[in-house]
Amino acid sequence: AQRVTQPEKLLSVFKGAPVELKCNYSYSGSPELFWYVQYSRQRLQLLLRHISRESIKGFTADLNKGETSFHLKKPFAQEEDSAMYYCALSRMGGGSNYKLTFGKGTLLTVNP
Amino acid sequence: NAGVTQTPKFQVLKTGQSMTLQCAQDMNHNSMYWYRQDPGMGLRLIYYSASEGTTDKGEVPNGYNVSRLNKREFSLRLESAAPSQTSVYFCATRGMGLASSEQFFGPGTRLTVL
Repeated sequence: AQRVTQPEKLLSVFKGAPVELKCNYSYSGSPELFWYVQYSRQRLQLLLRHISRESIKGFTADLNKGETSFHLKKPFAQEEDSAMYYCALSRMGGGSNYKLTFGKGTLLTVNP
Repeated sequence: NAGVTQTPKFQVLKTGQSMTLQCAQDMNHNSMYWYRQDPGMGLRLIYYSASEGTTDKGEVPNGYNVSRLNKREFSLRLESAAPSQTSVYFCATRGMGLASSEQFFGPGTRLTVL
């Protein structure tokens, strides 16, 4: 079975402070990891995926297979980063029965 | 292109009533999904359809049925609504291939069952 754990329901930081949203996973095969974000009154959208190894809106996330983690980091938080963040996992390679398993989400609030 | 659309945006039902949530996409994607989003529970998969003509249960299928009407449309039906089905429902789509692992979400339907 695959499982995604986001230990923090709520995370509050001040503008300009570093932020790290934690994500740990459990999966027996080769996983593909994602971060999705939902801004207030907007639909859920992909922020980044581990295979792209890119930085989006200043956020990065590195897959650590040894620690089974995929933490999301940003060195200097901005007020517009306030949103609900979901870590998600799927089987690498897609396939007809491709499914995403989501964590329970972390609500990030960046205070001025 | 509208992407993924859902109707209605809001709905209030009484216990025992039935209704169908509609989802349509113009992205020519094969796979479609229905999720529910509850506070503290994240997104949980209800049903999905890997391609036109196929549907499969997800994590929380009880109390729901689905129909993949054609490639564009995937509906979710509540035959006898219960207060436990009060939630925000999201439809999502996904293309095919290794580069198409991203899911695209609709705006959601907020359902309240009294």
